[in-house]
Amino acid sequence: EVQLVQSGAEVKKPGESLRISCKSSGYSFTSYWISWVRQMPGKGLEWMGRINPSDSYTNYSPSFQGHVTISADKSISTAYLQWSRLKASDTAMYYCARLGSKDWGRGTLVTVSS
Amino acid sequence: DVVMTQSPLSLPVTLGQPASISCRSSQSLVYSDGNTYLNWFQQRPGQSPRRLIYKVSNRDSGVPDRFSGSGSGTDFTLKISRVEAEDVGVYYCMQGTHWPPITFGQGTRLEIK
Repeated sequence: EVQLVQSGAEVKKPGESLRISCKSSGYSFTSYWISWVRQMPGKGLEWMGRINPSDSYTNYSPSFQGHVTISADKSISTAYLQWSRLKASDTAMYYCARLGSKDWGRGTLVTVSS
Repeated sequence: DVVMTQSPLSLPVTLGQPASISCRSSQSLVYSDGNTYLNWFQQRPGQSPRRLIYKVSNRDSGVPDRFSGSGSGTDFTLKISRVEAEDVGVYYCMQGTHWPPITFGQGTRLEIK
């Protein structure tokens, strides 16, 4: 069974850094791109970017390029989404997903508030 | 970026009646390999999105056959033949032909009248 298990909810202050994770199991991690999708409170789905875990090649949406970093560690089948300086507007649910297949994580709620 | 435009944005439906959601793209979604990478997702309240349909008309395993997808080029439709209570939620179309970025429609909220 394919599973994408995301790390738990986070509460952070503006300006802090954060890395959230998405651990994959049940398939060959290096065979499928992993995407990150943002959903702000009460809003729709926004694609942030994706990574090819076999070589860590990434694509980013222009809307998120430079503000987040997507990485992966294939030795532990885990993808990451990272911020160096959070803003209040980063408050959202973040999903990892294999958009080329049908698998999504349950989401990580990130709350940024002073 | 390819803009995905859904209509309607709100869809009140009587139980047992059909429902239809339109999704239009700002450019053709036919990829160079001949495939059209247009997917439909359902997001029930408080849940992660779930893919229903991939490449326009292919239903994912476990998806009831009352859901169907159709269309071509820039014009696509998701139909529910008879709406059930468990179908309440928000439906999104998504294109994966022209990237980056992959883009989603705004979402259509289906509710029971």
